[in-house]
Amino acid sequence: DMKVTQMPRYLIKRMGENVLLECGQDMSHETMYWYRQDPGLGLQLIYISYDVDSNSEGDIPKGYRVSRKKREHFSLILDSAKTNQTSVYFCASSSDWGFNYAEQFFGPGTRLTVL
Amino acid sequence: GQQVQQSPASLVLQEGENAELQCNFSTSLNSMQWFYQRPGGSLVSLFYNPSGTKHSGRLTSTTVIKERRSSLHISSSQTTDSGTYLCALERNAGAKLTFGGGTRLTVRP
Repeated sequence: DMKVTQMPRYLIKRMGENVLLECGQDMSHETMYWYRQDPGLGLQLIYISYDVDSNSEGDIPKGYRVSRKKREHFSLILDSAKTNQTSVYFCASSSDWGFNYAEQFFGPGTRLTVL
Repeated sequence: GQQVQQSPASLVLQEGENAELQCNFSTSLNSMQWFYQRPGGSLVSLFYNPSGTKHSGRLTSTTVIKERRSSLHISSSQTTDSGTYLCALERNAGAKLTFGGGTRLTVRP
């Protein structure tokens, strides 16, 4: 069953705390993504990972870092979370980032609230 | 300004009516993708459509590159079509997507 999972689904943190969002996929996809979604803004790409330890900044990387030590796992880390990082975070994966179409499969999202 | 703009922002239909959702982009593209986002969050890919017209059941996607627009047509809408429809521009062959703000569709019985 092809699947992208995200943990946790809901998270409340205080400003200044560290946050770890986890993503897993069982499709052996090379490429994985982290997005955030805010009302009226669609999804914005935070980071993209082309494979283990091969990560690249997206459009809004400031305040975030990522870790990919296994192909099936991709973590998003917020060191000292800020209130403006309150958002819904989506992870996605795809099978090929190159010159062919690569359908992106999305996880269910994590709703993060930073107080 | 925003590279990808969707209209309308929201739309309410009676079941059985048709809908036309628009996506306009201000930059060159490698491809255009349409997604459906269920109430509650998860996204499902509907179409990958770099140009021309594609059909899938009651859905039709048309991308006209020289006019910098793509549309999603939903015929004979159903209540289960309710949700948010997102278009996303693939700017080059590097798989980075730029999303529009979405159209929130409500289909009433």
